[in-house]
Amino acid sequence: DIQMTQSPSSLSASVGDRVTITCRASQDIRNHLGWYQQKPGKAPKRLIYAASSLQSGVPSRFSGSGSGTEFTLTISSLQPEDFATYYCLQHNSYPLTFGGGTKVEIK
Amino acid sequence: QVQLQESGPSLVKPSETLSLICSVSGGSISSDYWSWIRQPAGKGLEWIGRIYSSGSTSYNPSLKGRVNMSLDTSKNQFSLKVTSVTAADTAVYYCTRDPNRGEPPDYWGQGTLVTVSS
Repeated sequence: DIQMTQSPSSLSASVGDRVTITCRASQDIRNHLGWYQQKPGKAPKRLIYAASSLQSGVPSRFSGSGSGTEFTLTISSLQPEDFATYYCLQHNSYPLTFGGGTKVEIK
Repeated sequence: QVQLQESGPSLVKPSETLSLICSVSGGSISSDYWSWIRQPAGKGLEWIGRIYSSGSTSYNPSLKGRVNMSLDTSKNQFSLKVTSVTAADTAVYYCTRDPNRGEPPDYWGQGTLVTVSS
């Protein structure tokens, strides 16, 4: 199985801060990576696919980058509605595997 | 706009079979991939498996052969069965659509909590 190591597991940030979350894959997954946002009691919402393609309707302050084994999700200016848990997901090979999640909390 | 809705028993006894159905509207299950993903309370996400519109399947080996998925094209539904359940199978179960163009899941159901307890 491909292991997805996501860091940090949690962070505290203020509105307006730039936030970066990283996912490292245990082997090359090309650009077969998605990023998801999950709020309490809700289903995850896709933000990014193909490592860097912004999902329609998602604010442009979200961006993704990387390929191979290193990927990042960046929120350029954190907004109140962005406080949530974020997950990466590799879909390059079976079984699909998620990162452990990053909880973004208010500072 | 594709919509998915999970349904099934919320309580299952240990050693019995968990059965869920995902009803799809706004799109046809005769195209794309369809997955099940679960999340124990307070924990991360685990991919259970996926079924293609042709009926071919891929399952997570972590469930040790206890999983079966199927399609019902007449009802535009797909289903999940997990046999020999234990408390470790207690989770919120989500069904998703995975676009056939090589993308990760885009549409998700709201999720349904299944508790394994006697």
